[in-house]
Amino acid sequence: AQTVTQSQPEMSVQEAETVTLSCTYDTSESDYYLFWYKQPPSRQMILVIRQEAYKQQNATENRFSVNFQKAAKSFSLKISDSQLGDAAMYFCAYRKTSYDKVIFGPGTSLSVIP
Amino acid sequence: NAGVTQTPKFRVLKTGQSMTLLCAQDMNHEYMYWYRQDPGMGLRLIHYSVGEGTTAKGEVPDGYNVSRLKKQNFLLGLESAAPSQTSVYFCASSYSINRGRQETQYFGPGTRLLVL
Repeated sequence: AQTVTQSQPEMSVQEAETVTLSCTYDTSESDYYLFWYKQPPSRQMILVIRQEAYKQQNATENRFSVNFQKAAKSFSLKISDSQLGDAAMYFCAYRKTSYDKVIFGPGTSLSVIP
Repeated sequence: NAGVTQTPKFRVLKTGQSMTLLCAQDMNHEYMYWYRQDPGMGLRLIHYSVGEGTTAKGEVPDGYNVSRLKKQNFLLGLESAAPSQTSVYFCASSYSINRGRQETQYFGPGTRLLVL
């Protein structure tokens, strides 16, 4: 069965600095999707970034980028120039391309220090 | 375009009571999902639907029933609420394209349920 692990329950970063959130996953599939979702205090889940496993290029979305290491089954999220609005829970998630279920990690709580 | 909406936002139930959570989406998505979120456990899939009139069980389906009578609505029912069902419930929806490949899931704002 697929699993998603986030080993950092809590992280903090100074405003304007860079922080990296870790995620590892376990799968026997070769083609799949990986996601990072953000959940601010409002509780709504917001997609931050998506990576297709068949693409070697790391996904980037403005200040957010990923380091996708397929062989190591690692998918870390880098937030550059951190802002106060980045404070939230961040969930790493996995989905097989031919299956309906998204598997979420337990989340990392990110605090941004002014 | 409201996206995914959920009603109610918050509800308190007594053990044994029943209720229905409503999820609605206006994006013409084929797939819809119900998750529950508990501290330290991320989101767990309760039930999902791949189209109008069809539903399927997820990871934690026990104690819940669902219906998808209209494409835009996905209802989650609790027939006899238990304290273990105290949680935050999220609905999500997505397209289905190319033989099961899906687009990104879009989430609703969540419903907080407290069962006493």
